[in-house]
Amino acid sequence: GIQVEQSPPDLILQEGANSTLRCNFSDSVNNLQWFHQNPWGQLINLFYIPSGTKQNGRLSATTVATERYSLLYISSSQTTDSGVYFCAVVGLDYQLIWGAGTKLIIKP
Amino acid sequence: DTEVTQTPKHLVMGMTNKKSLKCEQHMGHRAMYWYKQKAKKPPELMFVYSYEKLSINESVPSRFSPECPNSSLLNLHLHALQPEDSALYLCASSRAGGLGNSPLHFGNGTRLTVT
Repeated sequence: GIQVEQSPPDLILQEGANSTLRCNFSDSVNNLQWFHQNPWGQLINLFYIPSGTKQNGRLSATTVATERYSLLYISSSQTTDSGVYFCAVVGLDYQLIWGAGTKLIIKP
Repeated sequence: DTEVTQTPKHLVMGMTNKKSLKCEQHMGHRAMYWYKQKAKKPPELMFVYSYEKLSINESVPSRFSPECPNSSLLNLHLHALQPEDSALYLCASSRAGGLGNSPLHFGNGTRLTVT
């Protein structure tokens, strides 16, 4: 099956810093979603992005399907950005495969 | 605020109890899901309902019993659980009737502790 790898596993930044999170996948996918899970467990869908680039405020995402990776950019980090960021891909068999996540801590 | 509502937020139950988790969405979505999440792990799929019919059961033990009374409601009935079933239980919905065809929207989850 498809393997999904996220990097880095952990990231600690000062408020105001920028960051890039990466998601690599081992095979062709139908689509890819980025999620943010806050420290209280709430899981929010950030982007549904099978290819191309999307932006939403301080967050943007780019998926290069032909090279099997996606990047999530967070600019001007705020403490509320802390949590775990997951990417999940849908393979050709329509199973949703999750990465292990990147744990982000933003210090004030 | 999430558009998928789960109740209760917290639940503590003994191994002989019977309880139910509830999930409701009013976005007109036709696919609904139950996920289980252990600490520091990604969510694990348990069940998928598509157009109110059970379409995926990921070999979940029978002590977990899902029910979809209508297109807006999803229940998870719990009976004779084990302490290792303690986890965050997440409900999700999506527009289309199948995994991956449209974005997943999650509820805030129910933190379940089995004593």
